[in-house]
Amino acid sequence: QKEVEQNSGPLSVPEGAIASLNCTYSDRGSQSFFWYRQYSGKSPELIMSIYSNGDKEDGRFTAQLNKASQYVSLLIRDSQPSDSATYLCAVGNSWGKLQFGAGTQVVVTP
Amino acid sequence: EPEVTQTPSHQVTQMGQEVILRCVPISNHLYFYWYRQILGQKVEFLVSFYNNEISEKSEIFDDQFSVERPDGSNFTLKIRSTKLEDSAMYFCASSEVPGAREQYFGPGTRLTVT
Repeated sequence: QKEVEQNSGPLSVPEGAIASLNCTYSDRGSQSFFWYRQYSGKSPELIMSIYSNGDKEDGRFTAQLNKASQYVSLLIRDSQPSDSATYLCAVGNSWGKLQFGAGTQVVVTP
Repeated sequence: EPEVTQTPSHQVTQMGQEVILRCVPISNHLYFYWYRQILGQKVEFLVSFYNNEISEKSEIFDDQFSVERPDGSNFTLKIRSTKLEDSAMYFCASSEVPGAREQYFGPGTRLTVT
């Protein structure tokens, strides 16, 4: 069974600090890697995509991918209360099927 | 900004009834997906669809499920005979390019089977 694993949290982060989220996956054939944010009762919202090893920055978000270690991470800099949500790691195959982790709940405290 | 829309937002049905969930993908997108999320659980892939054909389906997507693009804008998921365990949020997603590229999710339909 191919799996995507995340720490469930909650991850408590002071406002203005860096939140660090991790994800591991088991399918070495995975082609694409995404981070979605999901507020309670809402749909997943795409915040980052990464396809090759290394770092990708977009505003306050940085995604890191290490295919050899089968590891994806997300850093959220200058965390804001509005960042409080569940962050879903998703891994895609060549046909577009996304496999999701269970999500890490982030709580930003003022 | 273009977005995926879904109707209805909430559907209540009795066990054994047929339901059709509707989605309007982003207009220039050609690849369509259905996912579901049972309360408190992971988002799960159901099916992907391109060029009027199913590209891939999960083991959840059995003979009770079907998908259709009845016209140039709608994409539907039909559940023929609903079961209690079909109660979940159903999300439609679409992407512009094939395969492993960004998918954008609709707001979801909450299906409650009683």
